[in-house]
This record gives sequence, C-alpha cells and structure tokens, in this order.
Amino acid sequence: SAVISQKPSRDICQRGTSLTIQCQVDSQVTMMFWYRQQPGQSLTLIATANQGSEATYESGFVIDKFPISRPNLTFSTLTVSNMSPEDSSIYLCSVVGGIYGYTFGSGTRLTVV
Amino acid sequence: AQSVSQHNHHVILSEAASLELGCNYSYGGTVNLFWYVQYPGQHLQLLLKYFSGDPLVKGIKGFEAEFIKSKFSFNLRKPSVQWSDTAEYFCAVNDISNFGNEKLTFGTGTRLTIIP
Repeated sequence: SAVISQKPSRDICQRGTSLTIQCQVDSQVTMMFWYRQQPGQSLTLIATANQGSEATYESGFVIDKFPISRPNLTFSTLTVSNMSPEDSSIYLCSVVGGIYGYTFGSGTRLTVV
Repeated sequence: AQSVSQHNHHVILSEAASLELGCNYSYGGTVNLFWYVQYPGQHLQLLLKYFSGDPLVKGIKGFEAEFIKSKFSFNLRKPSVQWSDTAEYFCAVNDISNFGNEKLTFGTGTRLTIIP
C-alpha cells in the first residue's frame, strides 16, 4: 500500500494566522482526501482533491477557509486559514489504493492559541 | 448521503470478556466496509475490511466482523479482549455504487476501555 509522509506532525499557532499542511505519497494516486478529527470526535471529511481540478468540499467546509492544492499525483497541501481556537484538531490526509483500501497519514495535531 | 451509526459510545469490559461493537450504515447500495482502531496517542490503523465474498471477515489481533446486508450492519467482534485492546474504534463505509465517489464516511467511534 501507499506510504504517506505528512508534515508538520504538530504545531501551535496564533489565532488569525494560517498553517499549511503537506502530504507526500510514495506513488501516484488519483484522489487524495483531507479529514479533520476534532478532540474526542470522529473523522470528518473536509474535501477531496483530484489532480488538475478544483477540490470538492463537503458541506460545512469552504475553499476560503481550507484552500487545497494538488499540483501533481503525489502531493497535496491543505491550508487552515485565519485560524481560531475552534480549528484546533488533528488533520489527516488519505489516499485510496492497494489491498488495504485506504492509507492515512500520521496526522497533524494543530493547537490554536 | 451515506451515514454510519455506532450506537455504543463507550464500552467498558473486563479482560477475557467477549466484545461486540455495533455498526450500521444508511445506504443500501454496494459498499466497502472497514473497521479502524486508534490507540491512545496514535494514528488510525486498519483492523479489517470487507470488499466482497465471505461476509465473515477476520482481521488482525483476533478481531472479526460480519457483514449482514439485510440489516445494513457490520458489527465487530472479539471472543476474548485484552487490556491492550483499550482504544477508540471507528467503523467506516465507502459507497462504491456511486462511481468516482471513493470517500470514506466514518462513524462517531466507540471508546473501548478494558479493565485488567
């Protein structure tokens, strides 16, 4: 299955600033997914990123707040913009592929102060 | 839209007890089903998955799950739990009847606490 390198692993940010999270995959994949896991809660899909097209956002998530780039088939970034304490979460990227179906990055633990 | 229900929010068991965690999904199309585990402070790990074939699937660490299509269920079981099974368990569903839509929908999770 694919191996995903996600960074940063954690960060503490000031409110009002932005953080860009990167995911690098060791093989070419069509779809990449970005999830958020708020403290004590399940994973919620933010958006699906396809190479060469605009990301598709789920209800409740907008491009201005969570802009996504997908410049090629092995890389994607998610930016959390104009952060507030409510954005404190774990953010994960995921890809489809291999015998396991889905592979997840190790996550970015974001704390907004 | 697909939704996934895990009715047990927090389960507390003693070691060696049997475990069954419920998972129900809403949409009756063709689905792939997954159980993931998240140990404290760690990231998601795949326990088992169902794509097709035998509806009773076996995963790692002695876990198994049974897909019952008529009940839209995919319950997770283990005959004898260990203290090391203390973790958060997530059921997830992918509706593959919707071509090109490969996103996973997760349940709310079940926190399992095993008492030594």
